[in-house]
Amino acid sequence: IAGITQAPTSQILAAGRRMTLRCTQDMRHNAMYWYRQDLGLGLRLIHYSNTAGTTGKGEVPDGYSVSRANTDDFPLTLASAVPSQTSVYFCASSEKTGGTDTQYFGPGTRLTVL
Amino acid sequence: GQNIDQPTEMTATEGAIVQINCTYQTSGFNGLFWYQQHAGEAPTFLSYNVLDGLEEKGRFSSFLSRSKGYSYLLLKELQMKDSASYLCAGMDSNYQLIWGAGTKLIIKP
Repeated sequence: IAGITQAPTSQILAAGRRMTLRCTQDMRHNAMYWYRQDLGLGLRLIHYSNTAGTTGKGEVPDGYSVSRANTDDFPLTLASAVPSQTSVYFCASSEKTGGTDTQYFGPGTRLTVL
Repeated sequence: GQNIDQPTEMTATEGAIVQINCTYQTSGFNGLFWYQQHAGEAPTFLSYNVLDGLEEKGRFSSFLSRSKGYSYLLLKELQMKDSASYLCAGMDSNYQLIWGAGTKLIIKP
């Protein structure tokens, strides 16, 4: 089934630990995105990649890093987790060929940092 | 700055019509999106407007007025399954989405 998968579904993490959230898409979309969603706030862009081999910073990049070695995968790493990074993380992708450029979302990862 | 405003919560009755409003302020404008998000799930695409006017898709319609920085999502013949949050997002000049906090729609029988 075409779409975006994320792993893990949920995770409880001790503060200070390193964590990588995985995201894979099979739609051959050029662009991929990482958002966090917190209660009462809109989705906030962490990092994005318009094409394989390139990445960019979004609105809230501090404490996070990404890589885009190929078209399909876009992992998000928390080098040293802090409680304020407790959130639901969504990965998304879009064709980025102009026009509508609709973003499609993965199921999310619920992360709790204690 | 860039900003998207929409009501926090709305309540409507099954079978009725509801209009969810959104005002936006973005650096440049490349369209207005509406997404639906059920509790605990991912946002799913509903509609996209880039030109003024009404776009109709079954029970859902979306309207845009670029001169007023205003959009609305109209849901007709409400069903219980329409209980969800509705997210408004404007696409800026860099083709990045600026998201509102979402409107939680509660449908009562």
